[in-house]
Amino acid sequence: KAGVTQTPRYLIKTRGQQVTLSCSPISGHRSVSWYQQTPGQGLQFLFEYFSETQRNKGNFPGRFSGRQFSNSRSEMNVSTLELGDSALYLCASSLGAGGQETQYFGPGTRLLVL
Amino acid sequence: QKEVEQNSGPLSVPEGAIASLNCTYSDRGSQSFFWYRQYSGKSPELIMFIYSNGDKEDGRFTAQLNKASQYVSLLIRDSQPSDSATYLCAVIRGSTLGRLYFGRGTQLTVWP
Repeated sequence: KAGVTQTPRYLIKTRGQQVTLSCSPISGHRSVSWYQQTPGQGLQFLFEYFSETQRNKGNFPGRFSGRQFSNSRSEMNVSTLELGDSALYLCASSLGAGGQETQYFGPGTRLLVL
Repeated sequence: QKEVEQNSGPLSVPEGAIASLNCTYSDRGSQSFFWYRQYSGKSPELIMFIYSNGDKEDGRFTAQLNKASQYVSLLIRDSQPSDSATYLCAVIRGSTLGRLYFGRGTQLTVWP
């Protein structure tokens, strides 16, 4: 089975711009979770989608949003980028129905905001 | 109190030794427990998951869970230099499905 894929892998943006990141889960997985990883804060949860519905949301400002499509692919969007948004953005997929299943991570998108 | 705490390390062991990584969690309602390994510049890779009290073995890795003490550990036997990485403990709480709570990780170095 193919693993979780994320595009793009690297991105450079300037402050004030917006960005959209994409995640394709493992075939058959219906849950996609998004995390932000920085050296200072570690891995922090952004949100989770299951069957096109946001089931859980972390403590991030409204500039961070996401969605999930009927084929379980997910996108996250960050508007009005700030320098502090520079991070590795990871998505993880799981079977999802119970909410307790193992999550498998994609390779991540490394975002640099200048 | 943080949701998940790990011994911060770094931990350094010689090749062939046992590496012991520890983790405590704050929510008694937590039900699923995971250990991930992350190499520098890479994404987390699943090592083990455990749901029930006791030990779970997979090759050189053993996960131990004690829900009464709210404690999870990972033992790596016959450590190899390729095991050198950051090990992340993660927990899913019963009340927040689909959300992993991570510790800050323990950096392990295995020297030849």
